[in-house]
Amino acid sequence: DTAVSQTPKYLVTQMGNDKSIKCEQNLGHDTMYWYKQDSKKFLKIMFSYNNKELIINETVPNRFSPKSPDKAHLNLHINSLELGDSAVYFCASSQGIGEKLFFGSGTQLSVL
Amino acid sequence: GENVEQHPSTLSVQEGDSAVIKCTYSDSASNYFPWYKQELGKRPQLIIDIRSNVGEKKDQRIAVTLNKTAKHFSLHITETQPEDSAVYFCAARLGDSSYKLIFGSGTRLLVRP
Repeated sequence: DTAVSQTPKYLVTQMGNDKSIKCEQNLGHDTMYWYKQDSKKFLKIMFSYNNKELIINETVPNRFSPKSPDKAHLNLHINSLELGDSAVYFCASSQGIGEKLFFGSGTQLSVL
Repeated sequence: GENVEQHPSTLSVQEGDSAVIKCTYSDSASNYFPWYKQELGKRPQLIIDIRSNVGEKKDQRIAVTLNKTAKHFSLHITETQPEDSAVYFCAARLGDSSYKLIFGSGTRLLVRP
């Protein structure tokens, strides 16, 4: 049983397209996150939800929109994809806010 | 602003030797400091963490030390093995109500057999 699962694992798309990444956790955690890992491996937080409420919204283009239908799911929708959006996107969850994060396996997004 | 600096960016050691990775943070109210290990093509995984009311924590070959006055913390790996080769990230959780977890830039550790 995968604790934090995200789909798809790979996403290759053209500039200008809209795409979504889905994330689900079965740990019963209250908090979920999206992190972006660039080509230099730097991990940067994008969003965080606690019990479906947005609690962290970093300086991210408004082309990125998270949605949390319930506390076990946090999806990421990206509009008008750009070359610079190419990265690995990690979903994560935790019981306490900002501690003991469990990461999903990542989605490698390539924008051509 | 919020910042976590991590050194060195790469570290190569002989199997059996010790490895030390150091991080400094800027927010004096930070209260939680985890370390994550990321193997090639895999997800980051928590290996050890320490809270601000503790100076040192050890788990088998891994230890973390925290100096709140100097605002730095370190990861120590003893008796390194080839399977310790990975990228290691330190992180600090901000002490404000955001509880934002800020990651360092990572250290690529190579353990030579």
